[in-house]
Amino acid sequence: AQSVTQLGSHVSVSEGALVLLRCNYSSSVPPYLFWYVQYPNQGLQLLLKYTSAATLVKGINGFEAEFKKSETSFHLTKPSAHMSDAAEYFCAVTPSGGYQKVTFGTGTKLQVIP
Amino acid sequence: DADVTQTPRNRITKTGKRIMLECSQTKGHDRMYWYRQDPGLGLRLIYYSFDVKDINKGEISDGYSVSRQAQAKFSLSLESAIPNQTALYFCATSDPGLAEETQYFGPGTRLLVL
Repeated sequence: AQSVTQLGSHVSVSEGALVLLRCNYSSSVPPYLFWYVQYPNQGLQLLLKYTSAATLVKGINGFEAEFKKSETSFHLTKPSAHMSDAAEYFCAVTPSGGYQKVTFGTGTKLQVIP
Repeated sequence: DADVTQTPRNRITKTGKRIMLECSQTKGHDRMYWYRQDPGLGLRLIYYSFDVKDINKGEISDGYSVSRQAQAKFSLSLESAIPNQTALYFCATSDPGLAEETQYFGPGTRLLVL
């Protein structure tokens, strides 16, 4: 069995401040991990994914995430928030890379304050 | 033009009615998926199809059925809609032939069952 926990359903940051969205996972086998972004009235868009290669994964729009096995974490960060980053972010895990087995987190809504 | 399209984008129906949500893709992908999204619950898989002749139930298939009319089309039906099927529905595609399989989401269909 696998699961994903996103800490904080809502996060607010000031424009230009660090963005940190937290994700912890559990998986009985080495996982593949994903971060998606969802803008209002749109579908999910892949930000980045970890597939057992480099533990620090760089994605689109200046986001990155670090896989920490000892902490079972895959937190998403961006050094400087932009107004356009306001959206909902989902962490997801799959044990095998097959999307039919993906478990999604409950999402974190990011608000960027001018 | 969008690669994954969903029709309708919004739908209001009454309890007991049969409705169909449609998904079309121009990406040429074999794999297609239907998810529902509920506030605070993330995305949950309803059905998935690996090709026209291969359809599988997901986590929450009760009350739903699907049809894969062609590689490019995957429809979701609610035979007798009930209020707790009110949700945002997403179609997605992926192609395992790619070196790094990525999932692509449609824009979603917002369904309200009265």
